[in-house]
Amino acid sequence: EVQLVQSGAEMKKPGDSLKISCKGSGYDFTNYWIGWVRQMPGKGLEWMGIIYPGDSDTRYNTSFQGQVTISADKSIAAAYVQWSNLKASDTAMYFCARRAPSLAFFEYWGQGTLVTVSS
Amino acid sequence: EIVMTQSPATLSVSPGERATLSCRASQSISSNLAWYQQKPGQAPRLLISGASTRATGIPARFSGSGSGTEFSLTISSLQSEDSAVYYCHQYNSWPPYTFGQGTKLEIK
Repeated sequence: EVQLVQSGAEMKKPGDSLKISCKGSGYDFTNYWIGWVRQMPGKGLEWMGIIYPGDSDTRYNTSFQGQVTISADKSIAAAYVQWSNLKASDTAMYFCARRAPSLAFFEYWGQGTLVTVSS
Repeated sequence: EIVMTQSPATLSVSPGERATLSCRASQSISSNLAWYQQKPGQAPRLLISGASTRATGIPARFSGSGSGTEFSLTISSLQSEDSAVYYCHQYNSWPPYTFGQGTKLEIK
């Protein structure tokens, strides 16, 4: 069974750094792209970026480029998104999702990680 | 960037009736469109890919159609559990692969 399990909710202050994770199991993690999707409170889904754990090829939505860093560690089947300088506007639910093998829709989703940034 | 526009924003339909949700792309995306269902407090769930192919385990009352720039998701014989927000998602041109803003489906 394919599973994506994300790290727990985080409460941070503006200016803090943060790294959240997504661990895959039940499939060959190395060979499937993992994407990240933001959902701000009460809002829709935003495609942030995507990484191929096999070679760490990473593509960003230009809206998120420079604001976050997406990475992966294939040795432990984990993908990450990190911030170095959190803002209140980063408050959101963040989902990881596995892309389908040959087409770019998301077949499987993690449960989400809620990030709250408040002073 | 391809802009995806969903309509209506909110749809209220009685149980047993049919609901039709629309999604328009700002340029042709062929059939590279997916639909997701999101219930409160849950992650999105894939319903349809390739504009019309149901994902594994999705009931036959969910159907998708369209190509190019105009797409629709039809839910026949609505049930209370279908109450959710539905998002379309184009994966034809990246980055980014963009989502529509969502349609909230309410069951009367």
